[in-house]
Amino acid sequence: DQQVKQNSPSLSVQEGRISILNCDYTNSMFDYFLWYKKYPAEGPTFLISISSIKDKNEDGRFTVFLNKSAKHLSLHIVPSQPGDSAVYFCAASEGPGGTSYGKLTFGQGTILTVHP
Amino acid sequence: ETGVTQTPRHLVMGMTNKKSLKCEQHLGHNAMYWYKQSAKKPLELMFVYSLEERVENNSVPSRFSPECPNSSHLFLHLHTLQPEDSALYLCASSQSAVTNYGYTFGSGTRLTVV
Repeated sequence: DQQVKQNSPSLSVQEGRISILNCDYTNSMFDYFLWYKKYPAEGPTFLISISSIKDKNEDGRFTVFLNKSAKHLSLHIVPSQPGDSAVYFCAASEGPGGTSYGKLTFGQGTILTVHP
Repeated sequence: ETGVTQTPRHLVMGMTNKKSLKCEQHLGHNAMYWYKQSAKKPLELMFVYSLEERVENNSVPSRFSPECPNSSHLFLHLHTLQPEDSALYLCASSQSAVTNYGYTFGSGTRLTVV
């Protein structure tokens, strides 16, 4: 049973436009969410996170939105750049007191391609 | 330099071979992890070590044997693997095993079992 799902295996966007990557989860105990970015031949690197007490977190061109009632989060990249082309993983974790606190559950990733 | 170094980067092994994957972190972290990434699947947590003690074994077959001799080094010993074990094996570390942020990943070992 996959608790974190990224239903779009790939996304193609024109440079300068918005990229929207989506992620759904099923575990209501999750209360901390992260996005990781992975280039070929490299490990995932942390991009941005959000706690369940917030519905939006912004860092430069990257914004993460959280809709707890829908168990859905999304990553917006504006404007998209060719260097953003990578695999993006959504991850989630339970809070203190949860049985899997401190362990990240990942989605299967979305390949983003930004065309010049 | 990510602070987490994995060797080798690529490994091809036969099903009867014994090999080991190595991970080293230079970040002063106290927790280390092994993850497996198969094609089109999520990263799967395999093992968690906290202060050199294994705190999680996520139903991993015994043909995978982890070892953590100190807080800076983590090994994954492999023996009698199957072709379906071919995957990218990622090591990660964090300050603590009871934190949900601050993971640093290595670049991974691409394993092919023939």
